[in-house]
Amino acid sequence: DTGVSQNPRHKITKRGQNVTFRCDPISEHNRLYWYRQTLGQGPEFLTYFQNEAQLEKSRLLSDRFSAERPKGSFSTLEIQRTEQGDSAMYLCASSKDRGDQPQHFGDGTRLSIL
Amino acid sequence: AQTVTQSQPEMSVQEAETVTLSCTYDTSENNYYLFWYKQPPSRQMILVIRQEAYKQQNATENRFSVNFQKAAKSFSLKISDSQLGDTAMYFCAFMKPPGGGNKLTFGTGTQLKVEL
Repeated sequence: DTGVSQNPRHKITKRGQNVTFRCDPISEHNRLYWYRQTLGQGPEFLTYFQNEAQLEKSRLLSDRFSAERPKGSFSTLEIQRTEQGDSAMYLCASSKDRGDQPQHFGDGTRLSIL
Repeated sequence: AQTVTQSQPEMSVQEAETVTLSCTYDTSENNYYLFWYKQPPSRQMILVIRQEAYKQQNATENRFSVNFQKAAKSFSLKISDSQLGDTAMYFCAFMKPPGGGNKLTFGTGTQLKVEL
């Protein structure tokens, strides 16, 4: 069990640029989640995948955000035309697909918009 | 929609003492799961303990235990024999039963500092 891996750890970019984050879940985990955490707040749910299918998206996920999980393995989260308000920690988590299984989190990607 | 409230933004405790962190939640569901996660500074979120709502017995995990009061919708975390390594942000989280997407709803967190 190598844990959930996220890359990059930090991303600094100018407003208006596009960014992409990657998440590699624990290998036997079918479910993959993305959360966003702003300073002083708890993580907020963005979206989740069961294998390669994206089954739920939060209203927080505007049309500038897109997430994919090709082949049900790693996932990417892309933000287009970044805005100041996108500055946050983006957390990925994974779990087995039995309903009560806990989620295991990665270290997160911290995004800073200049 | 579910909400989770942690009313203690910061707490401190002396090493080896006991501390209790509070959490309340609001839901119309009867079956659900509750979790406490720990997030040390600049490190990943780690599961501390979990409780199934259909179980009356409070969960215990070594020095960590919960006081689950379903009727009051309260889910507090007790840390016994506090250690310096317990210093972290602690988040209470709610998860609906299967069919609800298994997404977690988090509180705003309690920053715990363990002091010598």
